[in-house]
Amino acid sequence: GAGVSQSPRYKVAKRGQDVALRCDPISGHVSLFWYQQALGQGPEFLTYFQNEAQLDKSGLPSDRFFAERPEGSVSTLKIQRTQQEDSAVYLCASSPQTGDTGELFFGEGSRLTVL
Amino acid sequence: GESVGLHLPTLSVQEGDNSIINCAYSNSASDYFIWYKQESGKGPQFIIDIRSNMDKRQGQRVTVLLNKTVKHLSLQIAATQPGDSAVYFCAEIPNRDDKIIFGKGTRLHILP
Repeated sequence: GAGVSQSPRYKVAKRGQDVALRCDPISGHVSLFWYQQALGQGPEFLTYFQNEAQLDKSGLPSDRFFAERPEGSVSTLKIQRTQQEDSAVYLCASSPQTGDTGELFFGEGSRLTVL
Repeated sequence: GESVGLHLPTLSVQEGDNSIINCAYSNSASDYFIWYKQESGKGPQFIIDIRSNMDKRQGQRVTVLLNKTVKHLSLQIAATQPGDSAVYFCAEIPNRDDKIIFGKGTRLHILP
């Protein structure tokens, strides 16, 4: 497809389970971002990749959160031992540019519900 | 904490009227601002951006105004249509930082 693709679109996990969320950015896009969006809130930055390098992970809320982009294309956000407060929509975005760009192309998100 | 915020959580506008969505920011060093639109169940979509060396920028049916003196920006939508119903976020890129910081959003509701 032409846009950013995220899977799964919906995930229900029991507290304590591990989850993995996948992002397929637009082909050729160098920059990739992960954001977390709680209900009724704006997206909150989690982490940023430039190609395969994770340049900023300052937004990851705890060491239970881990992201990777090993070949500079597909990225996976992994959450270990999920907690109820992890329930949110996880948005992936990509950009053909590096740095100082306001135009990100977002996927439709993965909605995680932790019971 | 967040430096970008919005004055009103919900704005109701008659179809065909102009909409004005306001946003305040607190970081005087920020020099790049962006507006995003998010429809229900979708990811945010870029609308328009403006840098601090400008005070006005126009797009198709949209205008962004930046007032650096009072640290305020607004998004004006001309002749609002039903398809404009969405949550609108103002966002900023703090100086020398690569990540976009979003505000909380304003829901725009179009009245028939």
